[in-house]
Amino acid sequence: GESVGLHLPTLSVQEGDNSIINCAYSNSASDYFIWYKQESGKGPQFIIDIRSNMDKRQGQRVTVLLNKTVKHLSLQIAATQPGDSAVYFCAETLPGTYKYIFGTGTRLKVLA
Amino acid sequence: EAQVTQNPRYLITVTGKKLTVTCSQNMNHEYMSWYRQDPGLGLRQIYYSMNVEATDKGDVPEGYKVSRKEKRNFPLILESPSPNQTSLYFCASSLRARAPEQYFGPGTRLTVT
Repeated sequence: GESVGLHLPTLSVQEGDNSIINCAYSNSASDYFIWYKQESGKGPQFIIDIRSNMDKRQGQRVTVLLNKTVKHLSLQIAATQPGDSAVYFCAETLPGTYKYIFGTGTRLKVLA
Repeated sequence: EAQVTQNPRYLITVTGKKLTVTCSQNMNHEYMSWYRQDPGLGLRQIYYSMNVEATDKGDVPEGYKVSRKEKRNFPLILESPSPNQTSLYFCASSLRARAPEQYFGPGTRLTVT
């Protein structure tokens, strides 16, 4: 619910603009990355994933970019809509493991 | 409808009183997992299960137990809850480990006084 977002960095964008949400992941050996969206009062929802052998992957209105050199992941949302307002998390996994490590999240606010 | 269900959704209990949070999925998924979510800490994995009778620790397993006797169910057990286990808990499942999509349940808000 709302309480989990109290300490989150917030990105505010105008409706119709593009959004870029960033994530610094923790382990240089991680080989699989996922972005999730969490709306208030709900569980996280899968958006898009990328494997470490790729630099970029596109979905519907979303693009994920991976920069392994600086351990950085970004989620780009084109033509941001009010329904995109949510908390966004990145997650990573290490090869040979089945554990997921989540980032702390970024709140996206879409301004009308 | 494909879904992950959790019960109860809200629970207030006292220190030391054993409790179980149930999780069930109807998608025939092999992989199931429990997370806790706390302000400023994001989601942290408690336990996960690769399949029936195959469970392993996540990053924060202390104070929790799990079992996977059937493919569809993955209960989370707190044998002796403490106030630091007050949190929002999510169960999730996916077709297999590292499958593209993990489906999350609606969450269980637990308060231990």
